[in-house]
Amino acid sequence: DVKVTQSSRYLVKRTGEKVFLECVQDMDHENMFWYRQDPGLGLRLIYFSYDVKMKEKGDIPEGYSVSREKKERFSLILESASTNQTSMYLCASSLEGPAETQYFGPGTRLLVL
Amino acid sequence: AQSVTQLGSHVSVSEGALVLLRCNYSSSVPPYLFWYVQYPNQGLQLLLKYTSAATLVKGINGFEAEFKKSETSFHLTKPSAHMSDAAEYFCAVRTGANSKLTFGKGITLSVRP
Repeated sequence: DVKVTQSSRYLVKRTGEKVFLECVQDMDHENMFWYRQDPGLGLRLIYFSYDVKMKEKGDIPEGYSVSREKKERFSLILESASTNQTSMYLCASSLEGPAETQYFGPGTRLLVL
Repeated sequence: AQSVTQLGSHVSVSEGALVLLRCNYSSSVPPYLFWYVQYPNQGLQLLLKYTSAATLVKGINGFEAEFKKSETSFHLTKPSAHMSDAAEYFCAVRTGANSKLTFGKGITLSVRP
């Protein structure tokens, strides 16, 4: 079974803090993704990576950065957290190809105070 | 550009009743279509996907969906709802190797005893 794990289920941070969200997959997938999920808005893509050290902006990259130093690990960084970044963050991974399934982690619910 | 429309935000059915969750897509090229389910406090998991083979796709937990090009639809059905089907359901579309997966806003299914 594919397993995607995220470092925290719940996080509470203060405005202005630097926040790291970690994601690890164990199936040697080329592609990894970070989404945020907000009620009534569905999932929106923040960043994705199709290879180590490669990254591409998604629909809402502002205020975020990412890092992929190893194939299995994809980190999302909030350089200076703001209250409008309070959300559920979902990581996913997949093999290469448009028909490939994306496998999701359990999510990190982030509250920025 | 590709997009997905899921009308309404909430559907309520009685246990044993038919489940019908609607999804319409917009795409200028043949799409790949997905239905994902999210149970409370979990990540998303794939229910089924259409990849240009059979137009009637069977998925897990008794769900199926039919691709209708003339109607640009990919509605999800299950003949008999079970209490365990209560969850949020997302339709998603992708149109090629270089395109991202675009999600609908999601629809919450409630099942009444």
